[in-house]
Amino acid sequence: ETGVTQTPRHLVMGMTNKKSLKCEQHLGHNAMYWYKQSAKKPLELMFVYSLEERVENNSVPSRFSPECPNSSHLFLHLHTLQPEDSALYLCASSQSPGSIYNSPLHFGNGTRLTVT
Amino acid sequence: GQQVMQIPQYQHVQEGEDFTTYCNSSTTLSNIQWYKQRPGGHPVFLIQLVKSGEVKKQKRLTFQFGEAKKNSSLHITATQTTDVGTYFCAGQAITTDSWGKLQFGAGTQVVVTP
Repeated sequence: ETGVTQTPRHLVMGMTNKKSLKCEQHLGHNAMYWYKQSAKKPLELMFVYSLEERVENNSVPSRFSPECPNSSHLFLHLHTLQPEDSALYLCASSQSPGSIYNSPLHFGNGTRLTVT
Repeated sequence: GQQVMQIPQYQHVQEGEDFTTYCNSSTTLSNIQWYKQRPGGHPVFLIQLVKSGEVKKQKRLTFQFGEAKKNSSLHITATQTTDVGTYFCAGQAITTDSWGKLQFGAGTQVVVTP
C-alpha cells in the first residue's frame, strides 16, 4: 500500500482545457518529484522539489506548471496540452539530502492522462 | 548526457528457470537503485547499491554493482509467477549536482510462463 496518493487516477482532457494533478505524501518526506512514464520509454524526470523549493526543472514545456505549497503536497497544473503529452504521470517522494546519495523513491499509483 | 540502458527489453521465462537482466550506464555512477513495476501498478523500490563490486541478495533476487560502477545486474533464481513485471534500474551520476536526478533505464519486462 502506497503512502503517496495521487488524484485523479484517470483524466481525459481536450487540448484547450486546464486541469491539475494532485499528489499527497504521508511518509514524512521532504522531497517530491513528478515523473512522466510513456510506453516503452524510460521514466522521465520532470520536476524535483526539496524542502518546498524547486531544485530541478528538466526542460519541461511551460504548459506543465508545478506547485509545492508544503512538503506533503505537490500539484501539476496542465494547460493547452498536446496529444503527445498523453502518458502516466507519477508522483514520488523521498527523504531530502542528508546524504549525497539519492534516497529511495516512493511512488504514487499515477494519473493516466489522455489528451484528445 | 548520462544514459542508462537495460537489456534485454523483454524476457520470457519458464517458471522455475533463472534469468539475468543487465543495466549499463554511459557514465560512472555514485549508486544505483532497482525498482519493480507490476502490470498496472507503480514502481516499487527494491534495493540500492553504493559500493564498487557490491552484491546484495533478497531471497531469490541477487543484485550486483560492477567494479567500475558503470553497470549492474539483477539475477532471479527459480522464477515464480509473482516475479512478473518490469524491472527498472536507476543510476545517480557521480557529479556534485546529481542529487534528485536519477536516470532510469527503459526497463526489462518479464513474462513468466507456468
